[in-house]
Amino acid sequence: EVQLVESGGGLVQPGGSLRLSCAASGFTFSSYWMSWVRQAPGKGLEWVANIKQDGSEKYYVDSVKGRFTISRDNAKNSLYLQMNSLRAEDTAVYYCARRGDGELWGTFDYWGQGTLVTVSS
Amino acid sequence: EIVMTQSPATLSVSPGERATLSCRASQSVSSNLAWYQQKPGQAPRLLIYGASTRATGIPARFSGSGSGTEFTLTISSLQSEDFAVYYCQQYNNWPSGTFGQGTKVEIK
Repeated sequence: EVQLVESGGGLVQPGGSLRLSCAASGFTFSSYWMSWVRQAPGKGLEWVANIKQDGSEKYYVDSVKGRFTISRDNAKNSLYLQMNSLRAEDTAVYYCARRGDGELWGTFDYWGQGTLVTVSS
Repeated sequence: EIVMTQSPATLSVSPGERATLSCRASQSVSSNLAWYQQKPGQAPRLLIYGASTRATGIPARFSGSGSGTEFTLTISSLQSEDFAVYYCQQYNNWPSGTFGQGTKVEIK
């Protein structure tokens, strides 16, 4: 069974930093693109970042470029999101999600339960 | 950037009735369109990919159609567990994955 479990969320002041983690199990982690998707309170879904299987390619939504860094450790089956210079508008539930392959290429076929990040003074 | 627009924002439907949700892309996304269901306090769940293919374990009452810029998700006979928010997502414009703003299906 595919499982994605996020951790690391919490309350942080504007301008602060936070590192999110996602522990993956039940599939060959190193074979999949992985993503972070966020959802502000009461709002819709927003793709944040992607990382290729070997970490050689990374992509970000414009609003987080230069502030957030996605990374992975395939030996630990783990995905990370380093968030710096946090702003109030970064307040959201952050989901770790697997990008599908084959017919499911481009979809987010499995999701974690999410971790809440609150940016407030 | 491809903008995805869903309508209506809220759909009030009685159990057992049909629900029809729409999603429009600002430019063609071919058939690279997925639908997700999200219940309160839960993560989204993939329902449909390739515009019309049900994901594993998704009941046959869910169906998707369309291509290019116009897409539809139909729930043929709403069950109590189907009341939720539904999002469309395009993945034609890799590596992003733009979502629509969602349609809430509520009990009438």
